[in-house]
Amino acid sequence: DAKTTQPNSMESNEEEPVHLPCNHSTISGTDYIHWYRQLPSQGPEYVIHGLTSNVNNRMASLAIAEDRKSSTLILHRATLRDAAVYYCILRDVDRGSTLGRLYFGRGTQLTVWP
Amino acid sequence: KAGVTQTPRYLIKTRGQQVTLSCSPISGHRSVSWYQQTPGQGLQFLFEYFSETQRNKGNFPGRFSGRQFSNSRSEMNVSTLELGDSALYLCASSFLQGVYEQFFGPGTRLTVL
Repeated sequence: DAKTTQPNSMESNEEEPVHLPCNHSTISGTDYIHWYRQLPSQGPEYVIHGLTSNVNNRMASLAIAEDRKSSTLILHRATLRDAAVYYCILRDVDRGSTLGRLYFGRGTQLTVWP
Repeated sequence: KAGVTQTPRYLIKTRGQQVTLSCSPISGHRSVSWYQQTPGQGLQFLFEYFSETQRNKGNFPGRFSGRQFSNSRSEMNVSTLELGDSALYLCASSFLQGVYEQFFGPGTRLTVL
């Protein structure tokens, strides 16, 4: 399984942008980069995903390096509600035995200060 | 649209007992996955069901089993409970397998005494 590396924790002030990095140097050509987050006492929540190009949605932006060995989740204006554990996950779309499963690492604990 | 629902939300059992947890996916979703979350091991994949068939299984002992019904609802069963089975059990549904996003339920908190 392709592995991801994230910092254990990061901090931000409210209304400031947050850049959450993820390294995935062994990524394969068929791996999509997914981000999920888990707020306290809740199940994980999908944030965004991409393959090669940068992606934007209402929650965040995903910037993918040209060589795809790293990516950055960008929260444009952090709010207190964004305090959560953020997981960077690689999903292989090759229809093999691992199709559908998510491999969660330890993620990054984001603290947002008022 | 209603989200993923899991019942019960909390459960207390004793060692040696068995337990059945239930998951109702989002309407129209055909894939259901189960995960175990513990402070020590984090989130670990248990198994995935699609169209009533187990498509994928994680590295858990045979005491952990599951099934999916024709309406896509899923159950997981743990037999001969051990203290280490205490965890938050999360169910996730998605429209199809593959790259589609998964929607997680709130989980069932199982405590084994």
